[in-house]
Amino acid sequence: SQQGEEDPQALSIQEGENATMNCSYKTSINNLQWYRQNSGRGLVHLILIRSNEREKHSGRLRVTLDTSKKSSSLLITASRAADTASYFCAPGQNFVFGPGTRLSVLP
Amino acid sequence: EAQVTQNPRYLITVTGKKLTVTCSQNMNHEYMSWYRQDPGLGLRQIYYSMNVEVTDKGDVPEGYKVSRKEKRNFPLILESPSPNQTSLYFCASRPLQAGSHGYTFGSGTRLTVV
Repeated sequence: SQQGEEDPQALSIQEGENATMNCSYKTSINNLQWYRQNSGRGLVHLILIRSNEREKHSGRLRVTLDTSKKSSSLLITASRAADTASYFCAPGQNFVFGPGTRLSVLP
Repeated sequence: EAQVTQNPRYLITVTGKKLTVTCSQNMNHEYMSWYRQDPGLGLRQIYYSMNVEVTDKGDVPEGYKVSRKEKRNFPLILESPSPNQTSLYFCASRPLQAGSHGYTFGSGTRLTVV
């Protein structure tokens, strides 16, 4: 089972700025999911993008998927302090999670 | 409310004393899974179950047991806990075909073994 590798490991931005985090994986997938985890809490499913989709939106979230490069990105626009969390990608059906990206949004 | 309920939330125990962490979901999901989360290592799958009486090992099953006698419940059993099992544990469930829903996670159990 493959694990997504999130990049960067940590990201610190000011409120109102956009935050971009990336995920790379190794083998072909049918879909890829992004999750958020607030400190010490369970992961919350954010969005799923299928292999035949290149971009998907949900509120302030924009996810892209480039199957040729085996990579995905998560963009959070107009970030808020409440977006401070760790973000994880899970490529494919096996739901293997990497170390995640720790996002800090400073007021 | 659709949810995965884990108990207890916090647990401190001594080496060798058997313990059980309970997990229950109310969404009629076939697939349930246990993860442990350690700093810098992400979430690692311990065991999973695709339906009643069907369980299988994940990536780090040593020292753990599970059972799936009913669809809603998936307890995690540590027969003889050791300090290296100190971790944050999560139970999660989803439909067998993930579709667009992904996992629903429990709130976590922080276990300390002294």
